[in-house]
Amino acid sequence: DIQMTQSPSTLSASVGDRVTITCRASQSVSSWLAWYQQKPGKAPKLLMYKASSLQSGVPSRFSGTGSGTEFTLSISSLQPDDFATYYCQQYNSYPLTFGGGTKVEIK
Amino acid sequence: QVRLVESGGGVVQPGTSLRLSCAASGLSFNNYVMTWVRQAPGKGLEWVAIILYDGSNEYYADSVKGRFTISRDNSRNTLYLQMHSLRAEDTAVYYCAKSAQTFCSGIDCHVFDHWGQGTLVTVSS
Repeated sequence: DIQMTQSPSTLSASVGDRVTITCRASQSVSSWLAWYQQKPGKAPKLLMYKASSLQSGVPSRFSGTGSGTEFTLSISSLQPDDFATYYCQQYNSYPLTFGGGTKVEIK
Repeated sequence: QVRLVESGGGVVQPGTSLRLSCAASGLSFNNYVMTWVRQAPGKGLEWVAIILYDGSNEYYADSVKGRFTISRDNSRNTLYLQMHSLRAEDTAVYYCAKSAQTFCSGIDCHVFDHWGQGTLVTVSS
């Protein structure tokens, strides 16, 4: 199974900050990497797919980079609506696996 | 608009069975891969099972293989998860979700753009 490791597990930031979340795979997943945002009590929301493709309707302040085993999700200017938990997911091989999550909280 | 509504959750004893349903509307259900993802209280997301758009193939997480069965009724626009031999560690909110692409056969399109609100399964004596 491919293990997905996110860092940091918690990130404290202020509105307007640029934030970056890292996701590392235990083996190459090529570019088959997605990012989701989840707010408390809500279902996940797809943000990015194929490592760097922005899902329709997602603000352009979100961006993704990487391939192989190392990926990043960046938010260029953090907005109040962005305080949430973020998960990466690989879809290179079964079983599909998620990272442990990164909680972005208000500093 | 696309709507996915899970039902069937509840409190059950260890070793018993439960069937979850996910009713879909606002989409051509039989065009999409469907999946179940669960989230234990206070924990992260865990993929459970997936079924191709035509029901031709299913895949499972090792943690549920042999105990859970995913199925779909395309005539009823409904996805199911039959769960047997439930354990305390199966306690979670169970979400159904659809693939972002239609007629997705390969794993390289297994990303999920619409999710239900989830149904809570609690396994406890």
